[in-house]
Amino acid sequence: GENVEQHPSTLSVQEGDSAVIKCTYSDSASNYFPWYKQELGKGPQLIIDIRSNVGEKKDQRIAVTLNKTAKHFSLHITETQPEDSAVYFCAAMGGYSTLTFGKGTMLLVSP
Amino acid sequence: DTEVTQTPKHLVMGMTNKKSLKCEQHMGHRAMYWYKQKAKKPPELMFVYSYEKLSINESVPSRFSPECPNSSLLNLHLHALQPEDSALYLCASSQDGVRSTDTQYFGPGTRLTVL
Repeated sequence: GENVEQHPSTLSVQEGDSAVIKCTYSDSASNYFPWYKQELGKGPQLIIDIRSNVGEKKDQRIAVTLNKTAKHFSLHITETQPEDSAVYFCAAMGGYSTLTFGKGTMLLVSP
Repeated sequence: DTEVTQTPKHLVMGMTNKKSLKCEQHMGHRAMYWYKQKAKKPPELMFVYSYEKLSINESVPSRFSPECPNSSLLNLHLHALQPEDSALYLCASSQDGVRSTDTQYFGPGTRLTVL
């Protein structure tokens, strides 16, 4: 089955800095890669996703890049703000709509 | 609107109790999911319903019993749970469970504590 590795497990940045979270996956058949943000006591919220026919996608301060050859994808957050502090999960999806999640990255943005 | 609602928000139950968790979506999605999430861990898939039929059961113990009364509702019936079943239970939905790249939208979860 699919295996998703996510790094780092924690990331501390100063407000205004950029943050990068990286994930690798094992199943070359996976073709959909969402990123979720989970705040304390809440459910995961989709923040951006990318499909295998696209190399990069941007949405304001958030961008995701995908390298299918190397089987890795990354989340980039620019101009970080304290409200960006949360746990971020990457995931990969292949057949049967089953998501395999990475272990999560706790992002702490200090004012 | 991409809202999935879950009730109750919090639930405390004893090991001999029977309770149910409820999930609802009005996005016309035809696939619904139950996940279990322990503290500081990613969500783990439990069940998938596609077009109101159970299509995936990830070897979940029988003390968890899912039900999909209609395309908008998903229930999880709980009976004789163990303390280690305490977790955040998340519901999600996606447009079509058959296709492999449908976005899954999560609800806020039910925080379950088993005493």
